[in-house]
Amino acid sequence: SQTIHQWPATLVQPVGSPLSLECTVEGTSNPNLYWYRQAAGRGLQLLFYSVGIGQISSEVPQNLSASRPQDRQFILSSKKLLLSDSGFYLCAWGALAGEFFGPGTRLTVL
Amino acid sequence: GQQLNQSPQSMFIQEGEDVSMNCTSSSIFNTWLWYKQDPGEGPVLLIALYKAGELTSNGRLTAQFGITRKDSFLNISASIPSDVGIYFCAGQLGSGNTPLVFGKGTRLSVIA
Repeated sequence: SQTIHQWPATLVQPVGSPLSLECTVEGTSNPNLYWYRQAAGRGLQLLFYSVGIGQISSEVPQNLSASRPQDRQFILSSKKLLLSDSGFYLCAWGALAGEFFGPGTRLTVL
Repeated sequence: GQQLNQSPQSMFIQEGEDVSMNCTSSSIFNTWLWYKQDPGEGPVLLIALYKAGELTSNGRLTAQFGITRKDSFLNISASIPSDVGIYFCAGQLGSGNTPLVFGKGTRLSVIA
């Protein structure tokens, strides 16, 4: 069966610091991968998606970037965090049956 | 971009009551899905619908893919406290490589 992992689970970072969030998927090959952000009490905002290694589509221009160095690894990064980057970051993998989410990373930027 | 109009935004119901929520769009979708998110966790897929008019049940949950392919509803029968959470509808416009379009969610509170 497929599983999706995200780490860290929680993160507190100062403004201006770098960010690296990691997502890995097990039990499937060449999945579509997605990064979403969810502000407190709000809906899901698609940030990036990838249909293959090295292929990244950006949905919202901002100071975040994504990379897919391996088939089942998806990384979300920033060189300098802003206060507005705080939120709940969710990684998901896609199949014909839908998208399946990881447990999320709660990021607080102070 | 594409939008899904999900309603109601929030609901407060008594335990044992039935619940209904829906999503509409001006666009035609090929797939409709319903998710539930518990606090502090990722959304979990509840029901997926792939054909216009399809009616699918999962325990106390029933969802339908509208015949026009522009809407879907989710019903929960005999609500219980663990039904509390945020329910999201999602639609897919194109192929399996097309990201889902999500509604803004319905926050469900159940009063025991």
